[in-house]
Amino acid sequence: EAQVTQNPRYLITVTGKKLTVTCSQNMNHEYMSWYRQDPGLGLRQIYYSMNVEVTDKGDVPEGYKVSRKEKRNFPLILESPSPNQTSLYFCASSRDLLSSYNSPLHFGNGTRLTVT
Amino acid sequence: QQQVKQSPQSLIVQKGGISIINCAYENTAFDYFPWYQQFPGKGPALLIAIRPDVSEKKEGRFTISFNKSAKQFSLHIMDSQPGDSATYFCAASMPDTDKLIFGTGTRLQVFP
Repeated sequence: EAQVTQNPRYLITVTGKKLTVTCSQNMNHEYMSWYRQDPGLGLRQIYYSMNVEVTDKGDVPEGYKVSRKEKRNFPLILESPSPNQTSLYFCASSRDLLSSYNSPLHFGNGTRLTVT
Repeated sequence: QQQVKQSPQSLIVQKGGISIINCAYENTAFDYFPWYQQFPGKGPALLIAIRPDVSEKKEGRFTISFNKSAKQFSLHIMDSQPGDSATYFCAASMPDTDKLIFGTGTRLQVFP
């Protein structure tokens, strides 16, 4: 089954304790990205990657890091989490650029992070 | 300029009725306008999408109406069903990009 898999689904941590949220896709997609979803704000892009070793900032990159060492994996790293990073996080992938029209974003089922 | 404004925030519709969700944008460079549907505990999933060179696209009970001059687009759900109860997001993207700019979402509840 074609899917984007995120782990863990739920995570509670304390301020300053480094954490990693993993993301893997089995569709051989070129493009991967991370979004955060907050009430009243919709989804906002954190980082994206156009290929292995190619990453760039989205709209809200502060406090986050990413890496793309393999095509299928795109982990999100919070080096020193803070309470304002409490959110619902989604990993997404697409075969091609969105403007190609036949390449929708496929989302994982989300990771709910709470930072106390 | 990069925003997509969505309304209403929540919508309650009787089964069989028409659900209408509206979005507006400012940036005329946007060239792709999808709608995503999200059920609780799941990620958003593409429902239907339109490009600005057409005024309407219909897929089953779901229709996007697009008004390029007004910079507005809307989702119409005909014969709304309880299974349509979900959060709906409009979005837009620029050419040659992988980033979607999302609206703030509309929680739709369809009662039997």
